[in-house]
Amino acid sequence: SAVISQKPSRDICQRGTSLTIQCQVDSQVTMMFWYRQQPGQSLTLIATANQGSEATYESGFVIDKFPISRPNLTFSTLTVSNMSPEDSSIYLCSVGSTGAGYTFGSGTRLTVV
Amino acid sequence: AQSVTQLDSQVPVFEEAPVELRCNYSSSVSVYLFWYVQYPNQGLQLLLKYLSGSTLVKGINGFEAEFNKSQTSFHLRKPSVHISDTAEYFCAALPNFGNEKLTFGTGTRLTIIP
Repeated sequence: SAVISQKPSRDICQRGTSLTIQCQVDSQVTMMFWYRQQPGQSLTLIATANQGSEATYESGFVIDKFPISRPNLTFSTLTVSNMSPEDSSIYLCSVGSTGAGYTFGSGTRLTVV
Repeated sequence: AQSVTQLDSQVPVFEEAPVELRCNYSSSVSVYLFWYVQYPNQGLQLLLKYLSGSTLVKGINGFEAEFNKSQTSFHLRKPSVHISDTAEYFCAALPNFGNEKLTFGTGTRLTIIP
């Protein structure tokens, strides 16, 4: 299965600023997924990122707040924009397929103060 | 659309005792089922998956799960737990066509008591 390198692993940010999270995969993948895990809760899908097209966002998530880039088949970034304390969460990227299962990055623990 | 329910938010178990973590799903179509583990301050790791075939699925670290279509369940079991099994466990479902979006349950925190 694919190996994902996600960074930063954690950050503490001031409200009103933005943070960009990067995920690098060791093999080419068609789709990459971005999730949010709020404190003590399960994972919620933010968006699906395909190379060469705009990301597809889930209900409740918008591109202005969570812009995503997918410049090639091994890399993607998620930006959390104009942050507020409510954005404090773990953000994870994921790749995979049904047969192989889905692999997750180690997560970015974001605290907004 | 599908949904996944993990009724037990926390399960304390004595070391070397057996454990079962419950997962039920609801879906209008057939689904694939997964269990993931999240150790403290880490990402998610795939424990096992059910795609088709034998309803008893064996995974890593001595875990196994049984798919029960009539009861729409996919409970996770381990005959003897260890301190290192302390973690959050997530059940997830995926429709078996097209749309490759995992739906996660709310998680079960397994605490092993020495």
